[in-house]
Amino acid sequence: SQQGEEDPQALSIQEGENATMNCSYKTSINNLQWYRQNSGRGLVHLILIRSNEREKHSGRLRVTLDTSKKSSSLLITASRAADTASYFCARQNSGNTPLVFGKGTRLSVIA
Amino acid sequence: GAGVSQSPSNKVTEKGKDVELRCDPISGHTALYWYRQSLGQGLEFLIYFQGNSAPDKSGLPSDRFSAERTGGSVSTLTIQRTQQEDSAVYLCASSIDTGTDTQYFGPGTRLTVL
Repeated sequence: SQQGEEDPQALSIQEGENATMNCSYKTSINNLQWYRQNSGRGLVHLILIRSNEREKHSGRLRVTLDTSKKSSSLLITASRAADTASYFCARQNSGNTPLVFGKGTRLSVIA
Repeated sequence: GAGVSQSPSNKVTEKGKDVELRCDPISGHTALYWYRQSLGQGLEFLIYFQGNSAPDKSGLPSDRFSAERTGGSVSTLTIQRTQQEDSAVYLCASSIDTGTDTQYFGPGTRLTVL
């Protein structure tokens, strides 16, 4: 399969704790993107990290990319109940081409 | 501005019937994608339109699936002779052709085949 693999499949943490989700892939990429999905419907784009970048930040989100290990991680700091959702990584081989999604990590943040 | 819209939001049909799902991309976006998400799974690519180029149909699971994009804007995904395994959420996304790469997703159509 060309899909990425995320782990863990499910993660349950207390509000205020940090959540780390990992994504691995098998082929070379142009960029890797993280999305959030609430209630199994629309996806919200979180962060795009390009193959020549190692780390990006956006608010409480931090994404790292290690192309030598073909892996990426998403860190959510000081989690909130509203962060409860499924998180997907998606790799893109080149610009404006279809995304290849992993199966996602289901995050539950308990208040 | 308006995001990607899809209709209907939910569709229940009987096995063997044809269905049409509609996607209105963000105005000015030249690339349009269709994905499918089965229960508890990640997204599976179906078909991709880029400007006036021939669409990339490599993800379509069978010849019962087809899609068109009229006037470079609205797209319709058609599933003929639906089967129960076609039940899924069908998601449409669009992106602007400037190498930004970010795809903006619509809310999806939940298709249930009885």
